[in-house]
Formats: sequence, structure tokens, C-alpha cells
Amino acid sequence: KAGVTQTPRYLIKTRGQQVTLSCSPISGHRSVSWYQQTPGQGLQFLFEYFSETQRNKGNFPGRFSGRQFSNSRSEMNVSTLELGDSALYLCASSETGSDNSPLHFGNGTRLTVT
Amino acid sequence: QKEVEQDPGPLSVPEGAIVSLNCTYSNSAFQYFMWYRQYSRKGPELLMYTYSSGNKEDGRFTAQVDKSSKYISLFIRDSQPSDSATYLCAIQSLNDYKLSFGAGTTVTVRA
Repeated sequence: KAGVTQTPRYLIKTRGQQVTLSCSPISGHRSVSWYQQTPGQGLQFLFEYFSETQRNKGNFPGRFSGRQFSNSRSEMNVSTLELGDSALYLCASSETGSDNSPLHFGNGTRLTVT
Repeated sequence: QKEVEQDPGPLSVPEGAIVSLNCTYSNSAFQYFMWYRQYSRKGPELLMYTYSSGNKEDGRFTAQVDKSSKYISLFIRDSQPSDSATYLCAIQSLNDYKLSFGAGTTVTVRA
């Protein structure tokens, strides 16, 4: 099976702009989660989608949003970018997002905000 | 206090040594335990997954869970230079299935 695919791999944006990141989960996986990884804070949970519904949300401002499509592909959007949004954004998929269903990660999108 | 504490290292060992990595956690609702390996410029790769106290082996890797002490460990036997990476513990809550990650320990295995 192909793994989790994230596009683009690298992105450079300016403060105030918005950005959309894309994630294709492993075939058959219905849960998609998004994480932000920074050297200072480590991996922090953004949100999780299952069957096109947001099931869980982390402690990020409303500028961070996401959605999931009927084919389980997911996108996340960050509006009004700030310098502190520079990070590696990781998407992970699992079969159900519940117990006995571990997460499998993509290689991430490296976002740099200047 | 973070929900999951992990010594960030770094840890440097000679080839063939046993690598020992540890995490502690505070939330009793945590019931599922994972170890991920992350190479530079890559996403985390699932290494081990367990939900019960005790040991689980997979090749050179052994995951150990002690729920009474809220302590988990990963041991790497006969370490190789290719094991050089950052190792992250991750613990999943029974309540909402969110993963909480440790800070990650950077390991270097010297040839």
C-alpha cells in the first residue's frame, strides 16, 4: 500500500497570507489527524477528522482549520499567517482513529513564514 | 507539567550497544503506547505499538510498559549506525484517542 502522501513538501509564505496543505491517507484509512512539529514545542495535535467530520480539536487558534472529503483526503488551511506558524505540518492516518488503530505519518509539509 | 515527559538527550552510543529510552506519563486514561522513529527531513515512522503492561519484542526492539508506575521504555539491542534518529514516545488516551507525544530523544550510534 502507498503511504500517507502530503503536498507540497516545502512552502514559503509571507506574513498575512494564507496557505492550504493537502494530505492523502493510506487507502482504507478513514481517520486523518494533523500535527504541528516545532523544535521548541515538539509534536502538537491540531485536529482529527473521521468520515468528513471533525472529531477532535487541539488548542490552536481559529486561524487553523481543516476539512475532509468523501474519499478521506484532507486539507488544512492556515489564514493570516504569523512568523510563529513556521513549522513542519504532519498528517497521519489510521483505520478508525480509535483503539488498536495506530497512526501512520506522512513526511510532512515544511512551512516557512517570512 | 507536560502529560508525557521524555529525556531529549542527545544520546550517543557505540555500535553494538544497547540503547535505552524512557518516558513517563501522568494521565491514567492513557492506555495505548507507541514508539516512533523519525529520521531527519522525514515523518515519524511507527516502530512499536502495545496496550498492555509487560514486554513486546520485534526483532532488535523491545517495548516495555509499566502502567502501575506510568513508565514506558524502548530498548534497541545490537544498535547500528542506521538506528541514528530521533525516537518519540506517544501515548493515546482511552477517552478521546488523541496522541500525546514526548519531546523525542535524539540517538547517535557511532560506527
